[in-house]
Amino acid sequence: NAGVTQTPKFRILKIGQSMTLQCTQDMNHNYMYWYRQDPGMGLKLIYYSVGAGITDKGEVPNGYNVSRSTTEDFPLRLELAAPSQTSVYFCASSTDRGWGTDTQYFGPGTRLTVL
Amino acid sequence: GDSVTQMEGPVTLSEEAFLTINCTYTATGYPSLFWYVQYPGEGLQLLLKATKADDKGSNKGFEATYRKETTSFHLEKGSVQVSDSAVYFCALYPLTGGGNKLTFGTGTQLKVEL
Repeated sequence: NAGVTQTPKFRILKIGQSMTLQCTQDMNHNYMYWYRQDPGMGLKLIYYSVGAGITDKGEVPNGYNVSRSTTEDFPLRLELAAPSQTSVYFCASSTDRGWGTDTQYFGPGTRLTVL
Repeated sequence: GDSVTQMEGPVTLSEEAFLTINCTYTATGYPSLFWYVQYPGEGLQLLLKATKADDKGSNKGFEATYRKETTSFHLEKGSVQVSDSAVYFCALYPLTGGGNKLTFGTGTQLKVEL
């Protein structure tokens, strides 16, 4: 049982480039999330999904796009990368009971630098 | 809106010392409260949680009690080990609203030395 996996682990982009951060979970969770973690800050929610075909914006969605075509995968797309997007990105998933008691399971993160 | 405030770090302790990391929150009603831990180079893991007032969450020797009077959820451990060195995040899930969206504090780094 791999849990939540993310690729790549590290990436350096030039300003204006684009890339996709991959996230896959094998726990059959309906809820998936993308967070960014800036130095000395808590996690900020970028986008989330409550099931295949359904996504919604979080706190800091500008500059990002997501899709959810399957239960397992939730890729995050960066278009026109900017230095402000330098951060560590975490993907997470949880069950869909929606009572607020469910554990979120996190991937190991992707460290992205935009130069 | 909802918010979580944690004590700033880093907190540096000697092995076997007592640990307290303060966490207070602002939210409507009575949210669920969580402590997550992030070990170096890893993603966050749930450490413990409490879903209603006066509940005590516990795991791996860590404890936290949900205090609605003081809107607090302080993390404690009686005797820390070097292996407890990590960043600890307090988080809440609101009573109302959907999407299972957690609000995180800024994290407190703990360093335990021999």
